[in-house]
Amino acid sequence: GAGVSQSPSNKVTEKGKDVELRCDPISGHTALYWYRQRLGQGLEFLIYFQGNSAPDKSGLPSDRFSAERTGESVSTLTIQRTQQEDSAVYLCASSFPGQTDLRYEQYFGPGTRLTVT
Amino acid sequence: GDSVTQMEGPVTLSEEAFLTINCTYTATGYPSLFWYVQYPGEGLQLLLKATKADDKGSNKGFEATYRKETTSFHLEKGSVQVSDSAVYFCALHYSNYQLIWGAGTKLIIKP
Repeated sequence: GAGVSQSPSNKVTEKGKDVELRCDPISGHTALYWYRQRLGQGLEFLIYFQGNSAPDKSGLPSDRFSAERTGESVSTLTIQRTQQEDSAVYLCASSFPGQTDLRYEQYFGPGTRLTVT
Repeated sequence: GDSVTQMEGPVTLSEEAFLTINCTYTATGYPSLFWYVQYPGEGLQLLLKATKADDKGSNKGFEATYRKETTSFHLEKGSVQVSDSAVYFCALHYSNYQLIWGAGTKLIIKP
């Protein structure tokens, strides 16, 4: 079946521009997560959605970062006025908390590699 | 707060060697524990999991046992292959369905 998809796969942008990153979760997965992974480092949690609401935005690094989710499906992560330190791979994951034995498993997309020049 | 600590990498082994990647955790209660793997150029994928103490997760020849007494979930494989070269992440379930992640351990297998 279809997995988590993300677009674009690569994005090169100039410092100061805004970017939008898109995530399509697995159909029926109500939970959605955004992470950032800098080169050679671990995962940095950004935001979590349950349905269309975001009970935990604690990981967003600044007010330049925002995310929304509509229809309990697609999510968009927006970075305004990009800075060079925003360069990283942005990963999206989804999960289905309603099924007990799969509750905590997260399924990841391939990521969007963002390069800010 | 809850946390996960993994051994630092890179770990470099020869093909057919025995592998151990250490993972210890700090948590309240009894979290579920996971190992995820990230192959070069690919996305993260679940390798194995254990949901309660003494459970053993296994997949693709890898095993990890949930040890409550030592708060550990070490990843092991008896005979590694070049194709096992990847970055391995240990994680534990946190509240609200979130996972807390270790920093990752890069594994390099030489032929």
